[in-house]
Amino acid sequence: DTAVSQTPKYLVTQMGNDKSIKCEQNLGHDTMYWYKQDSKKFLKIMFSYNNKELIINETVPNRFSPKSPDKAHLNLHINSLELGDSAVYFCASSQETGSYEQYFGPGTRLTVT
Amino acid sequence: GDSVTQMEGPVTLSEEAFLTINCTYTATGYPSLFWYVQYPGEGLQLLLKATKADDKGSNKGFEATYRKETTSFHLEKGSVQVSDSAVYFCALSLQGAQKLVFGQGTRLTINP
Repeated sequence: DTAVSQTPKYLVTQMGNDKSIKCEQNLGHDTMYWYKQDSKKFLKIMFSYNNKELIINETVPNRFSPKSPDKAHLNLHINSLELGDSAVYFCASSQETGSYEQYFGPGTRLTVT
Repeated sequence: GDSVTQMEGPVTLSEEAFLTINCTYTATGYPSLFWYVQYPGEGLQLLLKATKADDKGSNKGFEATYRKETTSFHLEKGSVQVSDSAVYFCALSLQGAQKLVFGQGTRLTINP
């Protein structure tokens, strides 16, 4: 059974377009995250949601808008895509308490041309 | 701020060699520490963790010990295999912070 799933796996689009990436977790976790991994493999958190409420927004441009319809889903919508948005985006989830170990989805490779 | 520093990569070893990937951290509180592994074309998988000083995390032959006095969490394996080729990330989380802070990742290649 897939614990954290993302769709699509690959996304190729042109500058200026709007696109969405979907994430779902079936672990019963309270908290979900979006991370961006750049071409040098550096990982940085973008957002976290706890029970559908935004907890962390790490100075991400407001072209990026996360939406959490319920605690099992956290989608990422990106407006007016730019070349610099090309990256791999990972969704993750964790329990609210404890060591906060996170479980990651397989990633979405976004290429903006 | 909180940060994690890993040894520079890439690291290339021969099969059955001993592996050490260094990781040190800076944190304002008492973090939990993690090693994640990313195999080619895949997402991150938790490899091992330690939640308090002197804890040893272990999995798949890999080990790391939480050393508070040296603020370190070095990853070791006694005999690496070709299948261990991947990118390894050291990370920390602080209770209540609800986020992971990652090191820059170390690419490991094992040659047969």
